[in-house]
Amino acid sequence: EIVMTQSPATLSVSPGERATLSCRASQSVSSKLAWYQQKPGQAPRLLFYGASTRATGIPARFSGSGSGTEFTLTISSLQSEDFAVYYCQQYNNWPLSFGGGTTVGI
Amino acid sequence: QVQLVESGGGVVQPGGSLRLSCAASGFTFRSYGIHWVRQAPGKGLEWVAFIRDDGNTKYYADSVKGRFTISRDNSKNTLYLQLNSLRVDDTAVYHCAKVTSSSWGTLEDWGQGTLVTVSS
Repeated sequence: EIVMTQSPATLSVSPGERATLSCRASQSVSSKLAWYQQKPGQAPRLLFYGASTRATGIPARFSGSGSGTEFTLTISSLQSEDFAVYYCQQYNNWPLSFGGGTTVGI
Repeated sequence: QVQLVESGGGVVQPGGSLRLSCAASGFTFRSYGIHWVRQAPGKGLEWVAFIRDDGNTKYYADSVKGRFTISRDNSKNTLYLQLNSLRVDDTAVYHCAKVTSSSWGTLEDWGQGTLVTVSS
């Protein structure tokens, strides 16, 4: 099983600041990496797939990059609605696996 | 629009069984694979199982293999998850999630989930 490790576990940022979230895979997943956003009491929302392809309706302030084992999610200028938990997920191998999440808060 | 509505959760004793359902609408159900993903209270996401559009290919997490069974009825636009030999650590909100049109592994649309509590 591929283990996904996210860092940091918690990220404290202020509105308007840049946030950089990392995700590392225990072995190469090529570009088969997705990012999700989850707010309290809500289902997760797909942000990116293919490591860098924005899902429908995702604002341009979000960007995804990386391949192989190292991936990054960047939020260029945090808005209040961006405070949430972010998960990466690999889909290169079965079983699928999620990272432990990064909580982005003030 | 796409809607996925889970049901069937509840409180069950260790060793017991439950069957979860996921009613789908707003898309051609028979054309998409569907996943189950769970989230224990206050914890992260854990992938549970996947079934292909035609129901002939299924994958399971090691933690549930041999105890859970995923199935679907394309005539009823409904996905199922049979949970047997339940353990305390199966307590979680169970979400169903539809894949994108281009990949089995990307979970595009999610239901709100149904809570399963395993407790004596």
